[in-house]
Amino acid sequence: GAGVSQTPSNKVTEKGKYVELRCDPISGHTALYWYRQSLGQGPEFLIYFQGTGAADDSGLPNDRFFAVRPEGSVSTLKIQRTERGDSAVYLCASSSSGISGETQYFGPGTRLLVL
Amino acid sequence: GENVEQHPSTLSVQEGDSAVIKCTYSDSASNYFPWYKQELGKRPQLIIDIRSNVGEKKDQRIAVTLNKTAKHFSLHITETQPEDSAVYFCAARPPSTGRRALTFGSGTRLQVQP
Repeated sequence: GAGVSQTPSNKVTEKGKYVELRCDPISGHTALYWYRQSLGQGPEFLIYFQGTGAADDSGLPNDRFFAVRPEGSVSTLKIQRTERGDSAVYLCASSSSGISGETQYFGPGTRLLVL
Repeated sequence: GENVEQHPSTLSVQEGDSAVIKCTYSDSASNYFPWYKQELGKRPQLIIDIRSNVGEKKDQRIAVTLNKTAKHFSLHITETQPEDSAVYFCAARPPSTGRRALTFGSGTRLQVQP
């Protein structure tokens, strides 16, 4: 079946603008994760959804970052007043139910560049 | 929270040699340890994982070992091939009662010289 997909694949924006990044998880996966990967680093956790609710948002760096998953499938990561330091690859992953030991399948990422 | 250290940051081997990448973790409650391979510009892909009730796991040329007492785990790749060249990330995750997300190491860039 189809894997995790993310759109857009690349996004260039200007400092101060608002952006939305979209993630389509594997069909039927209730757990969805957002990570951010800076150049030369491993992915860093941002937020985890179980169904429609954000079960853990402790990785969001500040209140400019927000994410939703209104119907328990597609998720949107929203960044307000973007800063140059937000430039990174934003990765989405999903797993069947969110229990430990379950494989997390990653999407191809959205490469965000803030000028 | 969990902290994962990964070494070395870069590793160059000759084709056919073995490669070993090591990781340590800080949270003794962590019980799941996956390894991901990421080629340039591509998504991370799971290559092998191990759970804390197991000390070693093998899958063809890849093996992972876990030492819970010392809180470290290692990836072993035997008979390396040029297509093994990529960045490898280790990760750790606590039980479902804790933070659900993976904590990743900083990655090892493996280059296999033909």
